[in-house]
Amino acid sequence: ELKVEQNPLFLSMQEGKNYTIYCNYSTTSDRLYWYRQDPGKSLESLFVLLSNGAVKQEGRLMASLDTKARLSTLHITAAVHDLSATYFCAVDNRNYGGSQGNLIFGKGTKLSVKP
Amino acid sequence: DSGVTQTPKHLITATGQRVTLRCSPRSGDLSVYWYQQSLDQGLQFLIQYYNGEERAKGNILERFSAQQFPDLHSELNLSSLELGDSALYFCASSVRTVPPYEQYFGPGTRLTVT
Repeated sequence: ELKVEQNPLFLSMQEGKNYTIYCNYSTTSDRLYWYRQDPGKSLESLFVLLSNGAVKQEGRLMASLDTKARLSTLHITAAVHDLSATYFCAVDNRNYGGSQGNLIFGKGTKLSVKP
Repeated sequence: DSGVTQTPKHLITATGQRVTLRCSPRSGDLSVYWYQQSLDQGLQFLIQYYNGEERAKGNILERFSAQQFPDLHSELNLSSLELGDSALYFCASSVRTVPPYEQYFGPGTRLTVT
């Protein structure tokens, strides 16, 4: 059974600081997704990582994927208050009996950026 | 706006009742997924349909069922509702056969069982 673990689950940051959220998964997969969720809202797609070594950046967020280590990271640079949200990583379950696109989510990292 | 629509936005009902949640995927997307988000279970995959056919099942209770119609909209039926079924239910859609295999989520239906 594919399992996805995120850490930390809670992160309180000061504006301007850098930090990294980690996402580990239990078995090989080459498709990993990062989503953002604001309170009471839907999930907004941030990054889709489809191969080993993939790196994507958007604004102050950068995501990377190491399929050999079964690890993805979401790096936050010079945090601002607007980044406060819950961030989820999700792994495609298709390699383990699941159909393509069946996502297994981590528990999420609740990020709070304070002035 | 992801292009995925869900109705209703909010639903309040009593234990033992039955409700139907509706989802319309993005134009052109053949695959529909249902997820449940609750405080204790997190985000869980329930079921997936592709072009009208069931393709995968996750942690879906026997009291729950779903279907995808010829116009590709999908409905999730929840019956004999219990307090623990209170959650946010999301529908997502994707193209599925072409990269980046991204799933786009609808706004969700918040179900409260009293």
